[in-house]
Amino acid sequence: EVQLVESGGGLVKPGGSLRLSCATSGFTFTSYSISWVRQAPGKGLEWVSSISSSSTYMYYADSVKGRFTVSRDNAENSVYMEMNGLRAEDTAVYYCARALRVGSWLESWGQGTLVTVSS
Amino acid sequence: EIVMTQSPATLSVSPGERANISCRASQSVGSNLAWYQQKPGQSPRLLIYATSTRATGVPARFSGSRSGTEFTLTISSLQTEDSAVYYCQQYYDWPPVTFGGGTRADIK
Repeated sequence: EVQLVESGGGLVKPGGSLRLSCATSGFTFTSYSISWVRQAPGKGLEWVSSISSSSTYMYYADSVKGRFTVSRDNAENSVYMEMNGLRAEDTAVYYCARALRVGSWLESWGQGTLVTVSS
Repeated sequence: EIVMTQSPATLSVSPGERANISCRASQSVGSNLAWYQQKPGQSPRLLIYATSTRATGVPARFSGSRSGTEFTLTISSLQTEDSAVYYCQQYYDWPPVTFGGGTRADIK
């Protein structure tokens, strides 16, 4: 069974940092790109970042560029997102999702992890 | 950035009736369009990709079509379990991939 499990969310003050993790199982991790998509409370979906299967390519939304960094560990079948300089507008549920290639449809999604940025 | 505009924002349909959800792209996206379903408290689920190809396990009552830059998700006979928010997503011109604002389907 394909599984993606996010963790690392929580309450953080503005300007603070968090590291999200996406642990995967049930598929050949090295064949898939992984994306992060967020959803602010009561709002729609917003793409945040994507990393290619071999970490060759990383992409970011303008809203997070320079503050967020995506990485992956193919030995651990996991993807990470380092989030620095957090702002109130970063408050959202963060989902990781897999795709056969970067910039494609998102086949399977995790259950999400909530990040709350508030003083 | 390609803007995806969904309509209506909300639709209310009786069980067994047909539901159509529209998604218009601000410029051509070819057939690079996917649809997702999100039920309350759940993560999104892929329904359709490449405009009209159903994902694994998706019932045949869900179908997708295209006319130019306008895309339609049709639920041929709405079931109570189809109550959800539906999102379209273009992946033609990226980054960024972009999503529509969502359409809530309520069951009368």
